[in-house]
Amino acid sequence: DQQVKQNSPSLSVQEGRISILNCDYTNSMFDYFLWYKKYPAEGPTFLISISSIKDKNEDGRFTVFLNKSAKHLSLHIVPSQPGDSAVYFCAASAPGGWDDMRFGAGTRLTVKP
Amino acid sequence: ETGVTQSPTHLIKTRGQQVTLRCSSQSGHNTVSWYQQALGQGPQFIFQYYREEENGRGNFPPRFSGLQFPNYSSELNVNALELDDSALYLCASSLSGTIYEQYFGPGTRLTVT
Repeated sequence: DQQVKQNSPSLSVQEGRISILNCDYTNSMFDYFLWYKKYPAEGPTFLISISSIKDKNEDGRFTVFLNKSAKHLSLHIVPSQPGDSAVYFCAASAPGGWDDMRFGAGTRLTVKP
Repeated sequence: ETGVTQSPTHLIKTRGQQVTLRCSSQSGHNTVSWYQQALGQGPQFIFQYYREEENGRGNFPPRFSGLQFPNYSSELNVNALELDDSALYLCASSLSGTIYEQYFGPGTRLTVT
């Protein structure tokens, strides 16, 4: 059951522009959401997270937006840099279900110089 | 501070065989989770160990089993391998109570022929 969906397998943007990665979820019990970045031959690394009590969380060039009514979250990267080229996974967890985190299939971001 | 390490990097097994994958947690972390990432998909939670006890399990059959040792290193064992078990196996360590901030290893690529 795909409770977390990333419908865009890939995204290509120009350096300096904004990258917007999207994620949809179906389980209304999810209350914590995370974004991970994965380079080839490395494990995913935590990037940014957001609790369901917020609708925005910002960390430097990275901002995550949460729209609970639409069950949608997005990651904005501004400005995009070539080093941001990686696969980005969104993940979600329900209360008390911290041992069972659901991941999307990932979006491959390519930032062109 | 040593990161999460996994061995071996790659492994090829035949259907029906058994395999053991190993993970060394990040220093100070007492919780380890294992994930299976099939090609083109996000990581899927297999199980978690906390202080040597299984602490949660995803939708995987009993032929997937694990161990956590007093030094918090961990093993994932898979019996009666099937072709569909071919995947990247990731382990992630964390501190109990900060489970969301998991640190992933680079993974073991298992190919079952």
